Amino acid sequence: AQSVSQHNHHVILSEAASLELGCNYSYGGTVNLFWYVQYPGQHLQLLLKYFSGDPLVKGIKGFEAEFIKSKFSFNLRKPSVQWSDTAEYFCAVNGRNNNDMRFGAGTRLTVKP
Amino acid sequence: KAGVTQTPRYLIKTRGQQVTLSCSPISGHRSVSWYQQTPGQGLQFLFEYFSETQRNKGNFPGRFSGRQFSNSRSEMNVSTLELGDSALYLCASSYRSGTSAPLGSETQYFGPGTRLLVL
Repeated sequence: AQSVSQHNHHVILSEAASLELGCNYSYGGTVNLFWYVQYPGQHLQLLLKYFSGDPLVKGIKGFEAEFIKSKFSFNLRKPSVQWSDTAEYFCAVNGRNNNDMRFGAGTRLTVKP
Repeated sequence: KAGVTQTPRYLIKTRGQQVTLSCSPISGHRSVSWYQQTPGQGLQFLFEYFSETQRNKGNFPGRFSGRQFSNSRSEMNVSTLELGDSALYLCASSYRSGTSAPLGSETQYFGPGTRLLVL
């Protein structure tokens, strides 16, 4: 069965620090990968997604993620975080053949001004 | 363009009762997916409806069911409620070009959720 692991439960950074949130998945076939974000008091929204092609995916608000197939990873990065990036971040995966969307437990990011 | 709306926003039920939650997708969106979010289990996929048919299903018991109407609005029903069904139920809509396109190929837009408390 497919699963998604997010290693960091809560990350605290100062503004301008670099961010990397880990995401590893377990699935035997071809996958589609996603990062979603939930800002305080707002709905869950898509940050970026990977289906095929260039493994380095750029999303909104300066976020990017790299798909490393050999490591079953899809880590989220941002070179310089802002206070407004404070939110909860979810990694998700679905298998091309079964369409069962699986989410990680989420990582809460707190950015101190 | 109006976003995804879910009603009711909050609900309190007792064990053994049943509940129906409603989701109105963004105009023009034909796919509606339902998710359950709990502190212990996180976000879990329940099912997806497209063109009034359930297309995909997560690993939930048969007490969880749904339907979609011709206007793409969707309802989710939970029968014989258990304490563990207390959760935030999220609905997401997407355009979904066809059944062959994988879930998530079109951006999913999430609603605010319905918070269900089972006593």
